Amino acid sequence: TQLLEQSPQFLSIQEGENLTVYCNSSSVFSSLQWYRQEPGEGPVLLVTVVTGGEVKKLKRLTFQFGDARKDSSLHITAAQPGDTGLYLCAGPLFTYQGAQKLVFGQGTRLTINP
Amino acid sequence: SQTIHQWPATLVQPVGSPLSLECTVEGTSNPNLYWYRQAAGRGLQLLFYSVGIGQISSEVPQNLSASRPQDRQFILSSKKLLLSDSGFYLCAWSVDWDGTQYFGPGTRLLVL
Repeated sequence: TQLLEQSPQFLSIQEGENLTVYCNSSSVFSSLQWYRQEPGEGPVLLVTVVTGGEVKKLKRLTFQFGDARKDSSLHITAAQPGDTGLYLCAGPLFTYQGAQKLVFGQGTRLTINP
Repeated sequence: SQTIHQWPATLVQPVGSPLSLECTVEGTSNPNLYWYRQAAGRGLQLLFYSVGIGQISSEVPQNLSASRPQDRQFILSSKKLLLSDSGFYLCAWSVDWDGTQYFGPGTRLLVL
């Protein structure tokens, strides 16, 4: 059972189009993070959303945290080939030792065609 | 600034052979350290995490083990590799007050 469900799992669109990727859970998270991963490299953090209803913008990327802190979305405006990659959402879970471990969604593979 | 290193970058090993992957972090003290495995183009599965020297927590039963002999060194090992151990292995670090994890470049392991 996946704690964080991402949809769609695969998305291929033309340059200039808009798109939205979703990350959903039945559990409440204190925050959610979005990472982007290029082939053969480690994921890189894009943004962390903390407050329910929060909206953060990173150039053409808009991230929103649901009011109930159970879901998040990533919207890309006027997609460019450089946006191609694997987008991962992740939520923190606290361990009994006090460390935070992250649970990841299965990812959305995004391809932007020129 | 902090950096994280993993080696080797790529490894091809026969079934039944041993494994040792190394991860080191520079520029921070007492980090939390993590080992993940990633199937091709998919999400990350947490294998082990460590909050300090000699402290290892295992997330899933498996053929692998982890050790933390020094504060900023994390090692993933196996005595005998299985075909199912093939994958992309990622090391990451974090600090307690910030859940953000910073990932290394990864090691691609192919077991034949």
